[in-house]
Amino acid sequence: SAVISQKPSRDICQRGTSLTIQCQVDSQVTMMFWYRQQPGQSLTLIATANQGSEATYESGFVIDKFPISRPNLTFSTLTVSNMSPEDSSIYLCSVTGGVTYEQYFGPGTRLTVT
Amino acid sequence: AQSVSQHNHHVILSEAASLELGCNYSYGGTVNLFWYVQYPGQHLQLLLKYFSGDPLVKGIKGFEAEFIKSKFSFNLRKPSVQWSDTAEYFCAVTSSGTYKYIFGTGTRLKVLA
Repeated sequence: SAVISQKPSRDICQRGTSLTIQCQVDSQVTMMFWYRQQPGQSLTLIATANQGSEATYESGFVIDKFPISRPNLTFSTLTVSNMSPEDSSIYLCSVTGGVTYEQYFGPGTRLTVT
Repeated sequence: AQSVSQHNHHVILSEAASLELGCNYSYGGTVNLFWYVQYPGQHLQLLLKYFSGDPLVKGIKGFEAEFIKSKFSFNLRKPSVQWSDTAEYFCAVTSSGTYKYIFGTGTRLKVLA
């Protein structure tokens, strides 16, 4: 399994600002994922981030709102842009287990937008 | 579109009671199935998984789950729960050959000591 850290662990931001969340993995991984967990709801996949290519976004999520970088095989960032209170959520990154399909999750970033 | 349903949103049990959490999915093809657990203040951890073979899979901490293809179900069970099992449990499904998870809405389990 992989050990994943995220920064920041939580933040309170003003409406209209942007926040960049970092995800660091202790081993090289091909695929990284970003999820959102809104209050009282389940996890929803935002995008898949592969090193060396553009992120693939799920329906309802766009690059202008959630730009993602994947500069190497152990690191990724997700930016939440022009935030509104509806963006208040927990944001999680995850990585795959390699040849198997399980995913390993980071601790999450709890974002509150006021 | 694929979906995953967890019918029990909140479950309260006394210690030593038996547990069964339901998970149903809607997808007609081959699937991979997972149960994840999130203990208070901790991150999501894989509890068990099913890819193929024996439909009864055993995971960590005494949990098991049974894949019933005809019912599109993957219910989680534990014969005797402990106070430390208090957590939120998520069922997740991927189509075979993909990494894209579809999560259920989660079940909050509270075990009373």
